[in-house]
Amino acid sequence: GEKVEQHESTLSVREGDSAVINCTYTDTASSYFPWYKQEAGKGLHFVIDIRSNVDRKQSQRLIVLLDKKAKRFSLHITATQPEDSAIYFCAASKVGDNSKLIWGLGTSLVVNP
Amino acid sequence: DPKIIQKPKYLVAVTGSEKILICEQYLGHNAMYWYRQSAKKPLEFMFSYSYQKLMDNQTASSRFQPQSSKKNHLDLQITALKPDDSATYFCASSQWTGGSAETLYFGSGTRLTVL
Repeated sequence: GEKVEQHESTLSVREGDSAVINCTYTDTASSYFPWYKQEAGKGLHFVIDIRSNVDRKQSQRLIVLLDKKAKRFSLHITATQPEDSAIYFCAASKVGDNSKLIWGLGTSLVVNP
Repeated sequence: DPKIIQKPKYLVAVTGSEKILICEQYLGHNAMYWYRQSAKKPLEFMFSYSYQKLMDNQTASSRFQPQSSKKNHLDLQITALKPDDSATYFCASSQWTGGSAETLYFGSGTRLTVL
């Protein structure tokens, strides 16, 4: 079946540095790529998404890049803060349907003061 | 205040028993979902409901039955529990399921342990 792979299972950065989380997907028809954040003991929380009609999207300190040729997308968190520490999940779907989202396993980001 | 309430937060059950996981959302959303998060596995979509009607079911086992008594309620009944059912079950909601990807809002989950 189709898959989404998150390359970093854990990531540790110093406060103020940038963090990059990379995901690859297998289904070339994928067109929607959201990112969610999960803090300890809580549910997932939407952070940013990108659609296949663009290759870059920014929301404040978050930047998402999409390389359709390589079937890769990445989340860049700039000027990291301790409150960015969480598990980040990437996902992909080929149709605009939440039931069709394929999820990565998550990346545990630790931002050290 | 949490907008999606899941109860209980933790649940321990014995093999073969039956449990109901409760979910209520106060976001005014029309679509609700159940997801399962198991160790070492990707988040797994189980069910989606829109306007209290089943839209999609990706759960092979009939032991899992969603129940929607009100538009903002979507409970999950699990019968004949097995140790493999141990996982965290997340309820989520979105504005509606009209074929367009929408932001999902998740509850804090029910962690189920089956002994």
